Amino acid sequence: GQNIDQPTEMTATEGAIVQINCTYQTSGFNGLFWYQQHAGEAPTFLSYNVLDGLEEKGRFSSFLSRSKGYSYLLLKELQMKDSASYLCAVRWTDSWGKFQFGAGTQVVVTP
Amino acid sequence: EAQVTQNPRYLITVTGKKLTVTCSQNMNHEYMSWYRQDPGLGLRQIYYSMNVEVTDKGDVPEGYKVSRKEKRNFPLILESPSPNQTSLYFCASSTGLAGDQTQYFGPGTRLLVL
Repeated sequence: GQNIDQPTEMTATEGAIVQINCTYQTSGFNGLFWYQQHAGEAPTFLSYNVLDGLEEKGRFSSFLSRSKGYSYLLLKELQMKDSASYLCAVRWTDSWGKFQFGAGTQVVVTP
Repeated sequence: EAQVTQNPRYLITVTGKKLTVTCSQNMNHEYMSWYRQDPGLGLRQIYYSMNVEVTDKGDVPEGYKVSRKEKRNFPLILESPSPNQTSLYFCASSTGLAGDQTQYFGPGTRLLVL
């Protein structure tokens, strides 16, 4: 598989903004996904990007640059409940159904 | 309630004893998939199915089998489990439509192979 890289852990204060980066190899790219996973729970879908640009959904936004092989998830107005692992996943063109996930970024929100 | 269910939720077994983890969804989804999650490695795809009777390998299919005889069920079979298959397993489903990219995950099955 191809590498998908994201930071292991990030810490931020309640009310602040945090940006989680995800980089991947550009060859064969066919869509990028972000999921949130609270400890002991299943992942839940946050966003999907296949074209360049910013997708905004409330406090969460996701950005994609296909030429750079780069995405970020922006979390604004952080709340304690945003403490979770954030997973970046890529779908490759060789199969619509095949997904590869990064190792996840643990976000810790402090009071 | 729309959901993906997995059974059992927790399982302790011994090396070589065949086991099946069931996965069922009530959303009439075409697509289903199995993942395992290990510390530091993230989610890794084992097998997926685009539709009934259509299954394909993910990144880590060795030691696993699947079948998709009906749309709602996608069981994961470990014919001869080994300790390196100790992991947290998630089943997921989605519509498979281009306009809906959401994958819905089951609650997970924690497996320990002794």
